[in-house]
Amino acid sequence: DAGVIQSPRHEVTEMGQEVTLRCKPISGHNSLFWYRQTMMRGLELLIYFNNNVPIDDSGMPEDRFSAKMPNASFSTLKIQPSEPRDSAVYFCASSLWDIPYEQYFGPGTRLTVT
Amino acid sequence: TQLLEQSPQFLSIQEGENLTVYCNSSSVFSSLQWYRQEPGEGPVLLVTVVTGGEVKKLKRLTFQFGDARKDSSLHITAAQTGDTGLYLCAGDKTAGNKLTFGGGTRVLVKP
Repeated sequence: DAGVIQSPRHEVTEMGQEVTLRCKPISGHNSLFWYRQTMMRGLELLIYFNNNVPIDDSGMPEDRFSAKMPNASFSTLKIQPSEPRDSAVYFCASSLWDIPYEQYFGPGTRLTVT
Repeated sequence: TQLLEQSPQFLSIQEGENLTVYCNSSSVFSSLQWYRQEPGEGPVLLVTVVTGGEVKKLKRLTFQFGDARKDSSLHITAAQTGDTGLYLCAGDKTAGNKLTFGGGTRVLVKP
């Protein structure tokens, strides 16, 4: 079975540009999570969805970040405008609603903002 | 300050040696997970522990959940180079979806 799919794997952009990261969760999973990983702060939860509905976005750094899940098989994380401090690896993870603590991670998107 | 503190932050050992990684908190967790992450990849779930005092074994890896469900340890026996990676513990406080991750322990097993 396919795991969590993320695209692109690498993104290099200039400050001020819009960045869109994409995620396809594991089929049948109904919870989806967006994380950010940096050396300084480790792995941080940004937002999570249950059944396509955003439940907790308290980890979203600021209004420049937004996330959507239009259907059960697709989610996006958008940064507009991007800043150099947004450089990090962004992970998407999914899980089953009744086993929410067992999360399966995608390979990540390495974002570099220059 | 991290809710989950992992120690040590970095560990370098020779192949065949044993190692233990610790994950500590002042908070009680409903469950605790251990993940391993290799360079360029996402974390991969190794185990979930739920009951205080629980011990789980996965081949050469032994995981223990503290009696009070505030801490956990991961012990690797006869480490192999394939055990190299970043080990992350994660806790679920409210039996909900939100996991809190520790800062990680980077393990290097040298041949």
